Amino acid sequence: AQKVTQAQTEISVVEKEDVTLDCVYETRDTTYYLFWYKQPPSGELVFLIRRNSFDEQNEISGRYSWNFQKSTSSFNFTITASQVVDSAVYFCALSEYTGFQKLVFGTGTRLLVSP
Amino acid sequence: DARVTQTPRHKVTEMGQEVTMRCQPILGHNTVFWYRQTMMQGLELLAYFRNRAPLDDSGMPKDRFSAEMPDATLATLKIQPSEPRDSAVYFCASGLDQGTELAKNIQYFGAGTRLSVL
Repeated sequence: AQKVTQAQTEISVVEKEDVTLDCVYETRDTTYYLFWYKQPPSGELVFLIRRNSFDEQNEISGRYSWNFQKSTSSFNFTITASQVVDSAVYFCALSEYTGFQKLVFGTGTRLLVSP
Repeated sequence: DARVTQTPRHKVTEMGQEVTMRCQPILGHNTVFWYRQTMMQGLELLAYFRNRAPLDDSGMPKDRFSAEMPDATLATLKIQPSEPRDSAVYFCASGLDQGTELAKNIQYFGAGTRLSVL
């Protein structure tokens, strides 16, 4: 069975600090997809990134970066120079690679960025 | 700016009433998912469709929930009769399971329907 663990329930930082959100997953599949979604206070889920399991290159998009390590089953997300607008709940998710399958979500990490 | 549209955004109803939630997927997407978000269970899949055919509804209480896609531009989730434990945010997501690797298998979510059953 697939499982995603986000051990950090809530993180509070001050603006401009860097912050890393942890994600650890379990799956018996050899190929799979990993995702991060953002849920701002408005409530909708915003897609941030999708990574397939055979691409272990780290990715950077502006202030966001993702570190995928298959050896430790982790897919961590770092926000550099955090801003108040980054305040949200962030979800890590996993899906099978074959076909278009359901997302298995972690419990989310609430990030609070104060000015 | 293409997006998934869900209506209504909020619904308050009394126990025993029928509730219908609607979802308009992004035009051209061929896969639709329904998820439910609660404090206790987090985000969990209720059902999903590919090319309007139901593929998996194992997450749905069959006795009271039903999901359909009358056409490619509309998905519905119905609860009859509703119960207080159905209070949650219901999300619809759509995506494409064909085409370029870059575009496929990403689920785009609507803003959700917040349901309160009194």
